[in-house]
Amino acid sequence: DTAVSQTPKYLVTQMGNDKSIKCEQNLGHDTMYWYKQDSKKFLKIMFSYNNKELIINETVPNRFSPKSPDKAHLNLHINSLELGDSAVYFCASSYRDRGFDEQFFGPGTRLTVL
Amino acid sequence: AQSVTQLGSHVSVSEGALVLLRCNYSSSVPPYLFWYVQYPNQGLQLLLKYTSAATLVKGINGFEAEFKKSETSFHLTKPSAHMSDAAEYFCALGRGGYQKVTFGTGTKLQVIP
Repeated sequence: DTAVSQTPKYLVTQMGNDKSIKCEQNLGHDTMYWYKQDSKKFLKIMFSYNNKELIINETVPNRFSPKSPDKAHLNLHINSLELGDSAVYFCASSYRDRGFDEQFFGPGTRLTVL
Repeated sequence: AQSVTQLGSHVSVSEGALVLLRCNYSSSVPPYLFWYVQYPNQGLQLLLKYTSAATLVKGINGFEAEFKKSETSFHLTKPSAHMSDAAEYFCALGRGGYQKVTFGTGTKLQVIP
């Protein structure tokens, strides 16, 4: 009965590779997010989708491309991985139309680029 | 610009002592404010949220926070710390119809037995 799930939980890869992280939510939410948490625990939003439409796109390198096949899924594809991409990536979801509602977070994907 | 400042990246308290985690915000419009907790190797979990209904907000696990507009603060408190409270705590500010949330830099709470 996991609310927000992410796969994989750990991802270790070499510089220059391309990788994807998948996220799924079964809460019926209409909005999903990707956050990056760096080694100092600083959490920064990267993208947000509402009903498959991109609504937040922060200053993120073009190597990062989110894709939302439906409102329950938001995947993150990263091209040409760099050392600085090493971080924990969190997916989250919420209802947009319930005022400012809480966001539910997934368990995170720890990406290590060697 | 909207921002959140958490004072103290590390806070240590003895078990049974008062927990006080500080958060100040800057917002040009009435804010939505949140406290989230992150246990080791887990995602964030909502403790409580302020949405202008009441200035004193009660959350889970005995935590509460008081919204003080005059001080632009939203400090988190708990009367008696428990070992299980050891975690990272994030204050967050919400704005806009796009549900964009700005997080503070986090405060790591250590509970000493």
